[in-house]
Amino acid sequence: GESVGLHLPTLSVQEGDNSIINCAYSNSASDYFIWYKQESGKGPQFIIDIRSNMDKRQGQRVTVLLNKTVKHLSLQIAATQPGDSAVYFCAERDGAGSYQLTFGKGTKLSVIP
Amino acid sequence: DADVTQTPRNRITKTGKRIMLECSQTKGHDRMYWYRQDPGLGLRLIYYSFDVKDINKGEISDGYSVSRQAQAKFSLSLESAIPNQTALYFCATGDTVNTGELFFGEGSRLTVL
Repeated sequence: GESVGLHLPTLSVQEGDNSIINCAYSNSASDYFIWYKQESGKGPQFIIDIRSNMDKRQGQRVTVLLNKTVKHLSLQIAATQPGDSAVYFCAERDGAGSYQLTFGKGTKLSVIP
Repeated sequence: DADVTQTPRNRITKTGKRIMLECSQTKGHDRMYWYRQDPGLGLRLIYYSFDVKDINKGEISDGYSVSRQAQAKFSLSLESAIPNQTALYFCATGDTVNTGELFFGEGSRLTVL
């Protein structure tokens, strides 16, 4: 199976609520983790990243948490807006030489107005 | 203009035909990638290139070939298309050595009948 996976394939949240999207990884050599957002009909877009020597990183309305003990990554979106509706992918970077990114299967976030 | 441009955006072809998907980028990065996206499977790496003289197979390279004509151009070919190559194809570029950010094109939707 894939080393990067998601716990929930779909997530529906009320506008204004916070969203949490989860991701599991299994490659201990991964040194960099990234979240991408893919809107309908478009290519994925970078949202936020975190290095393996960090536990938390915040951006504008988004926070990424990394738990290396259980190999878990999460993306938190504060005050979810209709424009946040998209598919979200986590990705891990191979730090052992190739620096390739391996993507998870994605979670579809639907925001209910 | 888009940073990463893919052509064609949509293509319908028949089994056995040769198909080429083209990609050009204006980001100035040396690394370019071709990914395939299928529903529920996320993004899977087909081929990648670190510079004009470097081509590497990804996770699912069988049935595909690539050509790196210049730093800014990276094309994907299906020598003899088959129906299970029906998918959405993305080209990307980025400096994954120093960041995890890839810049994706808008995608090329290929249907093989």
